[in-house]
Amino acid sequence: QSVLTQPPSASGTPGQRVTISCSGTSSSIGGNYVNWYQQLPGTAPKLLIYKNNQRPSGVPDRFSGSKSGSSASLAISGLRSEDEADYYCAAWDHNLSGVMFGGGTKLTVL
Amino acid sequence: EVQLLESGGGLAQPGGSLRLSCAVSGFTLRNYGMTWVRQAPGKGLEWVSAISDTGTVIYYADSVKGRFTISRDNSKNTLYLLMKSLRADDTAVYYCARAFDSGDSYPYDWGRGTLVTVSS
Repeated sequence: QSVLTQPPSASGTPGQRVTISCSGTSSSIGGNYVNWYQQLPGTAPKLLIYKNNQRPSGVPDRFSGSKSGSSASLAISGLRSEDEADYYCAAWDHNLSGVMFGGGTKLTVL
Repeated sequence: EVQLLESGGGLAQPGGSLRLSCAVSGFTLRNYGMTWVRQAPGKGLEWVSAISDTGTVIYYADSVKGRFTISRDNSKNTLYLLMKSLRADDTAVYYCARAFDSGDSYPYDWGRGTLVTVSS
């Protein structure tokens, strides 16, 4: 069982907007920033959002992140077939002295 | 271009040891914290360990504490993970990753991973 809670699955049709939630605690998300990662099938994870809402160069602005209290969310607008992947949130946890990952959300583009 | 190349994975027996290496290029290793993350077959990501730029600050996940040792040789541009007392549930792809800066522990740039299989 992961310290950070994500829905196991999400779906949308091309062009739609989809959001993925990540719920933590005061010792994790509540006190630290959140990163989001995308993992395409058969590949290594890739950084999608860092420090809650920052996009690395090369990541389209269709992807956005936000954080409020002990929860965070990833929004994908203008959904495309190539967005079909697993998405993970991550945050430092003060009590556990480590980076914690969510269980991952499998996004399906219908 | 930032590159991280893991090696040293393979088949190990329960109770055995392996040492993973991560050779980096395209950046100055001594300026960055580094992490190891693993992924069991068909499962999610699990953070394993992190080390600061100078190696003075180290963290481990509870699942590997006392069995795994992270280290780095900045002069050789290489990160290591020594794994002892291996168990079947250590079977996973192990990724090394560069952190955002010298004291950070979150993975930013990732390698392609190396597979570790623990089985008799």
